[in-house]
Amino acid sequence: GQQVMQIPQYQHVQEGEDFTTYCNSSTTLSNIQWYKQRPGGHPVFLIQLVKSGEVKKQKRLTFQFGEAKKNSSLHITATQTTDVGTYFCAVSPSGTYKYIFGTGTRLKVLA
Amino acid sequence: SQTIHQWPATLVQPVGSPLSLECTVEGTSNPNLYWYRQAAGRGLQLLFYSVGIGQISSEVPQNLSASRPQDRQFILSSKKLLLSDSGFYLCAWCPRWSGVSGNTIYFGEGSWLTVV
Repeated sequence: GQQVMQIPQYQHVQEGEDFTTYCNSSTTLSNIQWYKQRPGGHPVFLIQLVKSGEVKKQKRLTFQFGEAKKNSSLHITATQTTDVGTYFCAVSPSGTYKYIFGTGTRLKVLA
Repeated sequence: SQTIHQWPATLVQPVGSPLSLECTVEGTSNPNLYWYRQAAGRGLQLLFYSVGIGQISSEVPQNLSASRPQDRQFILSSKKLLLSDSGFYLCAWCPRWSGVSGNTIYFGEGSWLTVV
């Protein structure tokens, strides 16, 4: 079945440093979504990418969809303590209504 | 606006006892509904999803079951809990329409289950 791997599993950074998490799929994707889960909370939608090579920005967050539509990345510039949490990518296999979440990357920001 | 309610928020259950978690969605109709489980510090595992009343798709064989008795109600159940059932259970919904662009998943607040 559909597998979605994220790396790294954990990342500790000093406040102000950059952070990147990568999402890799075993199959070509029609779209990919990114979610953030704060400690003790539930995942919240951040963004969706649809087009090959697409790049979207949200303030300090930059999202990219690979040219082959099999991978994606989330980059945070100059991390802040409010960025702490776990970042998940999510994909929906073609022809299904289910959403498979990646393994997640847990980010800790040291002040 | 749409809202999703999930309860109870926390529960501690002995091994072998039954389980019932409920989830309701308001402000929309014909939603796709989902149950996910998250072990402590781990990823989100899709357990069940439903595209309509009485329609349940199971992703992982286990001692859990799901039911959708009404359009906007989704229930997760177990007849006999195992220690390994402990975790954070999340109900979620998304609009019914499909397509290349996909849909946003909206999660409930979650239910923390500890089996002792």
